Amino acid sequence: EDKVVQSPLSLVVHEGDTVTLNCSYEVTNFRSLLWYKQEKKAPTFLFMLTSSGIEKKSGRLSSILDKKELFSILNITATQTGDSAIYLCAVDRGGSEKLVFGKGTKLTVNP
Amino acid sequence: GAVVSQHPSRVICKSGTSVKIECRSLDFQATTMFWYRQFPKQSLMLMATSNEGSKATYEQGVEKDKFLINHASLTLSTLTVTSAHPEDSSFYICSARLRLYGYTFGSGTRLTVV
Repeated sequence: EDKVVQSPLSLVVHEGDTVTLNCSYEVTNFRSLLWYKQEKKAPTFLFMLTSSGIEKKSGRLSSILDKKELFSILNITATQTGDSAIYLCAVDRGGSEKLVFGKGTKLTVNP
Repeated sequence: GAVVSQHPSRVICKSGTSVKIECRSLDFQATTMFWYRQFPKQSLMLMATSNEGSKATYEQGVEKDKFLINHASLTLSTLTVTSAHPEDSSFYICSARLRLYGYTFGSGTRLTVV
């Protein structure tokens, strides 16, 4: 059975801290891994990763994929209260258009 | 960028009534739409995949007669919750696949059945 596991499930930090969110997966016919940020409404797209070892960056956020270890991390540096959200990891599989989602990591950044 | 417009954003209905949720792709054609349900503090659970011009594919455990999906055009998919009950109260989100950028999501509909 395909599965995506995120850790930790919940994380509380102070502004300015750096956080690392983890996502491991076991899926057949892997195509890409996606990270989303979900605040109160629908998820917003952060990154799509298809190749191992290539870091993607967007401001204070960065992500990298390890296809050998079936693992991805999402880093957020110098966290701000606006980073508080649920971060979802999902895997896109070849032969199926359905995404497999992890349970998410709830990040709380306190001032 | 590609946008999926979802309406209504919030609806409160009485038990036993039906509610229709619409998702429109505004600047692209979506042959496939995905409908998710999300309970508080939980992740997105795929309910069904709607295909333009054909029957939807439902995930195991999702009642087809209760959650009616129609995808009559390349830009519109609808989910109708029939004979809604309080346990159907949830956050419903649609999503469409994009060739280059993964998936885009509608803004979600918070359904409360009283």
